[in-house]
Amino acid sequence: DARVTQTPRDKVTEMGQEVTMRCQPILGHNTVFWYRQTMMQGLELLAYFRNRAPLDDSGMPKDRFSAEMPDATLATLKIQPSEPRDSAVYFCASGPSWEGYTDTQYFGPGTRLTVL
Amino acid sequence: GNSVTQMEGPVTLSEEAFLTINCTYTATGYPSLFWYVQYPGEGLQLLLKATKADDKGSNKGFEATYRKETTSFHLEKGSVQVSDSAVYFCALEGGSEKLVFGKGTKLTVNP
Repeated sequence: DARVTQTPRDKVTEMGQEVTMRCQPILGHNTVFWYRQTMMQGLELLAYFRNRAPLDDSGMPKDRFSAEMPDATLATLKIQPSEPRDSAVYFCASGPSWEGYTDTQYFGPGTRLTVL
Repeated sequence: GNSVTQMEGPVTLSEEAFLTINCTYTATGYPSLFWYVQYPGEGLQLLLKATKADDKGSNKGFEATYRKETTSFHLEKGSVQVSDSAVYFCALEGGSEKLVFGKGTKLTVNP
């Protein structure tokens, strides 16, 4: 049963520290999404990639957040420097795409980030 | 822009009760509609989907019908179980691949 994996599952850090979250998409899925979930805002799309190239990162604070796909099996989301308002659960999702369209997204278990 | 509104929770039911979670949407064109479920401590799982008007999505006893005339996609189950306790999210995809989610509805089923 193929699944999206994310590490770490939980991260507690202090304000100002760099945080790196990792995601391994399902093998064969060429589109990867990053979401953030908070009580106040719900689920928000931060960025997404197709074939490792960024397609849209308009939901991401540019000054401190960055997202990359070093290879097809790894996506990373970095926050530098982190702030308490970044505390949230960060989800990665992947999906197969045909003709530029992703039919269904499959979610990982999430990384719960707490910034003190 | 596109948006999804779903009923406020939490919803508490007894086992074998009938469940309805309301979801309405605003979108241009003809979006695809989804219900995702999130069990405690886990990520979201696709529960069911419908891609065009009058389609009915179904899975694990849950059903939802895409109603274009009322812009709705209400989730129903005839007899809930304790194991159905989770948070349910309605979502739409309006042709841009971006999922727009509702706020989520927490369901608790008591034995």
